[in-house]
Amino acid sequence: EAAVTQSPRNKVTVTGGNVTLSCRQTNSHNYMYWYRQDTGHGLRLIHYSYGAGNLQIGDVPDGYKATRTTQEDFFLLLELASPSQTSLYFCASSEFGQGAGQNTLYFGAGTRLSVL
Amino acid sequence: SQLAEENSWALSVHEGESVTVNCSYKTSITALQWYRQKSGKGPAQLILIRSNEREKRNGRLRATLDTSSQSSSLSITATRCEDTAVYFCAIASSSFSKLVFGQGTSLSVVP
Repeated sequence: EAAVTQSPRNKVTVTGGNVTLSCRQTNSHNYMYWYRQDTGHGLRLIHYSYGAGNLQIGDVPDGYKATRTTQEDFFLLLELASPSQTSLYFCASSEFGQGAGQNTLYFGAGTRLSVL
Repeated sequence: SQLAEENSWALSVHEGESVTVNCSYKTSITALQWYRQKSGKGPAQLILIRSNEREKRNGRLRATLDTSSQSSSLSITATRCEDTAVYFCAIASSSFSKLVFGQGTSLSVVP
């Protein structure tokens, strides 16, 4: 069973604060993704990566940085957090890219972030 | 407007009944996936149906795809309380390099 683990599960910070969300997958998958989920918007792709050291921009990248340090680990960084970044964040992995839609995404359990 | 959307925000059925969640989309697709998200969990894939397929089954789940009307349905038979979740469709297209998710339909199965 594919496994994606996110930490922390919950995080509260203040406006202007620094936040790092962590994700580790044990699937040996090439691709990893960060999504945010908001009522009325569904899942929106922030950044993704197809290997260590690689980073690709998603649909809503503003205010976010990401880094893929190893095959297993993908981090999402909010360097000056704003209330608009209050959301539920999901990490996911897949063996191949999403282009043809033939691959399954395996999601973590999510991190709920509140920016006060 | 959304490229993919489910046509109901919320549905409620009694345990044992059947229910159908519908999805419509607005572009040519290569595949469509259905995901389920239970409370406090991440989404999990239920069914992947390719554009040249018309129907796919997975246990009590049945997905259909009609590319002429650009729509898909996910039917659940003999529903159980543990089917309570949000159900998403997600489309893939040669026009873009990633899945596009609908906003989801919240299904409640009550005893």
